[in-house]
Amino acid sequence: NAGVTQTPKFRVLKTGQSMTLLCAQDMNHEYMYWYRQDPGMGLRLIHYSVGEGTTAKGEVPDGYNVSRLKKQNFLLGLESAAPSQTSVYFCASSAGTGIIYEQYFGPGTRLTVT
Amino acid sequence: SQQGEEDPQALSIQEGENATMNCSYKTSINNLQWYRQNSGRGLVHLILIRSNEREKHSGRLRVTLDTSKKSSSLLITASRAADTASYFCATDARAAGNKLTFGGGTRVLVKP
Repeated sequence: NAGVTQTPKFRVLKTGQSMTLLCAQDMNHEYMYWYRQDPGMGLRLIHYSVGEGTTAKGEVPDGYNVSRLKKQNFLLGLESAAPSQTSVYFCASSAGTGIIYEQYFGPGTRLTVT
Repeated sequence: SQQGEEDPQALSIQEGENATMNCSYKTSINNLQWYRQNSGRGLVHLILIRSNEREKHSGRLRVTLDTSKKSSSLLITASRAADTASYFCATDARAAGNKLTFGGGTRVLVKP
């Protein structure tokens, strides 16, 4: 099993450009999450999904959109990139919610917005 | 806002020594997890401790939880160079909708 994969691994955008980050998991997990990690800030939840066709806002959702059309995929979109969105983005999945279930993380996407 | 705060922010030890890091949180939690992140990689789950547990072991890892003090500690015994990583605590609180909230992490450097 590949676990959780993310595409691309690196990306440089100019301010105002758009892009989509793809997350895929092969563990048949119901729950999927997008986080961003900034230096000294730990991980902050952007959006999450509790099942196919559902999405919900996390702690820092502004400037991002998500879609979960298929159970195994969770897409994160930036419609108009800003320098403040320069960060490392991690996708994660879990079989359920909360502490009962551990989260499995992808390798991350390093995004730079100039 | 961060629910968990790790202390210290950074730790440097010699191989073979023990490493201890702490996590404090603000609101009541259901349970707490610890994760490890190697440089440039995603997080990996280490250990989970439920709110009704006080101590848990997994190999060279020992986790304690004191709900009265709203704190947890992670001890790595007989550290190895491969333990060099950042360690994060993650709490699950009803106030956060039972989603995990991560602290800022402790960077551990184990010198050979």
